[in-house]
Amino acid sequence: DAMVIQNPRYQVTQFGKPVTLSCSQTLNHNVMYWYQQKSSQAPKLLFHYYDKDFNNEADTPDNFQSRRPNTSFCFLDIRSPGLGDAAMYLCATSRVGRGETQYFGPGTRLLVL
Amino acid sequence: DAKTTQPNSMESNEEEPVHLPCNHSTISGTDYIHWYRQLPSQGPEYVIHGLTSNVNNRMASLAIAEDRKSSTLILHRATLRDAAVYYCILRDSGAQKLVFGQGTRLTINP
Repeated sequence: DAMVIQNPRYQVTQFGKPVTLSCSQTLNHNVMYWYQQKSSQAPKLLFHYYDKDFNNEADTPDNFQSRRPNTSFCFLDIRSPGLGDAAMYLCATSRVGRGETQYFGPGTRLLVL
Repeated sequence: DAKTTQPNSMESNEEEPVHLPCNHSTISGTDYIHWYRQLPSQGPEYVIHGLTSNVNNRMASLAIAEDRKSSTLILHRATLRDAAVYYCILRDSGAQKLVFGQGTRLTINP
């Protein structure tokens, strides 16, 4: 089945140690998104790629970076994780268009020790 | 980004219909109304969307007010698996993104 895959489901890192979360998709969608969701809060968009064009949200900290080497893969890099970065990180994809739906992966829960 | 207002929580009984309201008084003419839901420990999933006319699919129905300032998601016969947080979202007219509000936490009683 076509889907959005996130690995691992759980990631533990140390304070200040760089960490990379990965997302892959078999939907061949040209838009990919990264969201951060903290406990009991709604998902918050960090950035998205429209093909190779990177679109950063104005309030996304510089500590968060992203790479999209090809259509299928997208990575979230956290350069120096702080305790406040512990959250669920959700990847999503969509086709282009205002009415198009987004397809979400199951998320990676990041724990910072 | 246009904003939506939803009740924080709602409760219903199994096998009964559920009507989840959403107010979006600042909606623009080209904003689509999307509904997503998030089951516990899962990523959000698409439920339904519409622009002006009411919409039906296998999961739910979406009733859109004539002035488009409000909408209602209708689950015709709730099951325990429908317990989730339901998000009403206006799709940004200038970009590809969704902006999530706080959503409605729906509890289904057996």
